Amino acid sequence: AQKITQTQPGMFVQEKEAVTLDCTYDTSDQSYGLFWYKQPSSGEMIFLIYQGSYDEQNATEGRYSLNFQKARKSANLVISASQLGDSAMYFCAMREGISSGSARQLTFGSGTQLTVLP
Amino acid sequence: DVKVTQSSRYLVKRTGEKVFLECVQDMDHENMFWYRQDPGLGLRLIYFSYDVKMKEKGDIPEGYSVSREKKERFSLILESASTNQTSMYLCASRSWTGNNSPLHFGNGTRLTVT
Repeated sequence: AQKITQTQPGMFVQEKEAVTLDCTYDTSDQSYGLFWYKQPSSGEMIFLIYQGSYDEQNATEGRYSLNFQKARKSANLVISASQLGDSAMYFCAMREGISSGSARQLTFGSGTQLTVLP
Repeated sequence: DVKVTQSSRYLVKRTGEKVFLECVQDMDHENMFWYRQDPGLGLRLIYFSYDVKMKEKGDIPEGYSVSREKKERFSLILESASTNQTSMYLCASRSWTGNNSPLHFGNGTRLTVT
């Protein structure tokens, strides 16, 4: 089974509007972390935001916020006031087993290609 | 800022060749990773290393090996390149401390095997 599912291969949003990119995850661990990355056409992977499974508040970083719904196992990325420079591929990722200290890698979803329209 | 440098941006090799992809990080990170990225599949973990001379298989290690002789350098080796190894390869590193520490990525190597 997929551990990270991003069901939107492509999304369009008008400049200055908000957009939500979906991410659902599957884990039996109680302690885990969720990450979002942005990959522009240049290819670099840019870390955007992190949410820990025990964090009580949704993470926010500037125009990025994470809508974390633990019971639904979803961690959607919300981008407010979209800009043309937000056009990129966005990846959701998870790190499991944090409490055990044994797992350090990230498992990635298949990504969502966001296009911001002028 | 953390810098992860991959030696080649683009690489073209022939089937059967031995291929080395090099990655160097400058932040004394303990953990280093190799992923490959393919359209529709996201990033898949090939190998990772949590310390010098230590390595662990990821999800798709077949056809690959790795070497970590020094802390800052993590090499991915394709023993005998095949066309199905044509892909974008991404190296990443991470500090051991902090559950929320992200992976820091290099700019990638786009490998074409003909």
